[in-house]
Amino acid sequence: NAGVTQTPKFQVLKTGQSMTLQCAQDMNHNSMYWYRQDPGMGLRLIYYSASEGTTDKGEVPNGYNVSRLNKREFSLRLESAAPSQTSVYFCASSEFRPPNTEAFFGQGTRLTVV
Amino acid sequence: AQSVAQPEDQVNVAEGNPLTVKCTYSVSGNPYLFWYVQYPNRGLQFLLKYITGDNLVKGSYGFEAEFNKSQTSFHLKKPSALVSDSALYFCAVRDWGAAGNKLTFGGGTRVLVKP
Repeated sequence: NAGVTQTPKFQVLKTGQSMTLQCAQDMNHNSMYWYRQDPGMGLRLIYYSASEGTTDKGEVPNGYNVSRLNKREFSLRLESAAPSQTSVYFCASSEFRPPNTEAFFGQGTRLTVV
Repeated sequence: AQSVAQPEDQVNVAEGNPLTVKCTYSVSGNPYLFWYVQYPNRGLQFLLKYITGDNLVKGSYGFEAEFNKSQTSFHLKKPSALVSDSALYFCAVRDWGAAGNKLTFGGGTRVLVKP
């Protein structure tokens, strides 16, 4: 059981380049999330998808777009990368209704924009 | 808007002593509360949750947390800390009211357990 899988694990981009971070979960969860983690800032929500077919902005959506491709996959796209987007990105998934509503996380993508 | 506050950036404790990591939250509806732990260069691992019922919740690795509705707190505790408990701890809240299914995290608290 792989859980939540993120690709790639590491990436270096030049300013202005674009890329897509991939996330897939095999737990049949309805909800999926993208977070970024910066030193001293905790985890900040970028976008989330409560269920297949819906996406909503989180705290820091500017500069990002998302696609909920199907129930399993939720991708995050940087159209024109900026140094401020250097961060560690985490994807997570969870069930929508309690009691089994805790989120499961991928191992993260370390992105550096130069 | 929902929010989580972890007032301490770092907690230092001697091995064998009790460990407490503080968390307070703000939601408009009913809170569902979670604690996660992160070891270096790893993703977040779920420790425990409060959904409803008993205010004292027991979780993995000997951790427990107490939900206090009047103080809007959900502090994480361990009676006897281990050096291996040294890690970054995050509190999170989900509000089943107007915020829908958004999961919001606090800023994290680094725990250092000294031998």
